[in-house]
Amino acid sequence: AQSVTQLDSQVPVFEEAPVELRCNYSSSVSVYLFWYVQYPNQGLQLLLKYLSGSTLVKGINGFEAEFNKSQTSFHLRKPSVHISDTAEYFCAVTAGGTSYGKLTFGQGTILTVHP
Amino acid sequence: GAVVSQHPSRVICKSGTSVKIECRSLDFQATTMFWYRQFPKQSLMLMATSNEGSKATYEQGVEKDKFLINHASLTLSTLTVTSAHPEDSSFYICSARDVFGTTNTEAFFGQGTRLTVV
Repeated sequence: AQSVTQLDSQVPVFEEAPVELRCNYSSSVSVYLFWYVQYPNQGLQLLLKYLSGSTLVKGINGFEAEFNKSQTSFHLRKPSVHISDTAEYFCAVTAGGTSYGKLTFGQGTILTVHP
Repeated sequence: GAVVSQHPSRVICKSGTSVKIECRSLDFQATTMFWYRQFPKQSLMLMATSNEGSKATYEQGVEKDKFLINHASLTLSTLTVTSAHPEDSSFYICSARDVFGTTNTEAFFGQGTRLTVV
């Protein structure tokens, strides 16, 4: 079984400032990692994913994340945020094989960008 | 990219009635779809895995007789909330994976359905 912990429930930040949203996971097997964004009353949009290879993953909208196996972390970063980045962000993991696609989500982090 | 359409986006029903939610993969075949539930200010919790042509697999604590899942074709899965009660009010989201496509490492999500039981 897997579990995901997002360390911050809310992150306020000013526009054009950098931001980091933290995610730690626990699993007894190898996992694949994802970050999703959710706008109010909408579904989820994939920002980026880590499957294998380079531990620094670049996604859409200027976001990137770094997989750290020793620290079991997958923190999301953006060097300069915009008002439009205000949303809720979810870190998620899935195992491989027949379980692939069955996601375990973190609790979510609400990012609020202030002008 | 692969598109998943979920319908309806919002539904209000009376306590004791049943509600059907549809999840369609528009441009790919989905042998497996997943149904999640999200209570206000909480994360998404997997309810069940829907398999085309076979019975759904439910997560622990999810009543299979209350949440009926049918996956009769490769592009459609339905979730029926039977005898709905106010505590079933939630945001239900489906996802599907294009197993045979070039984006087979990604699960695509529908827009979600906001169910309110009064």
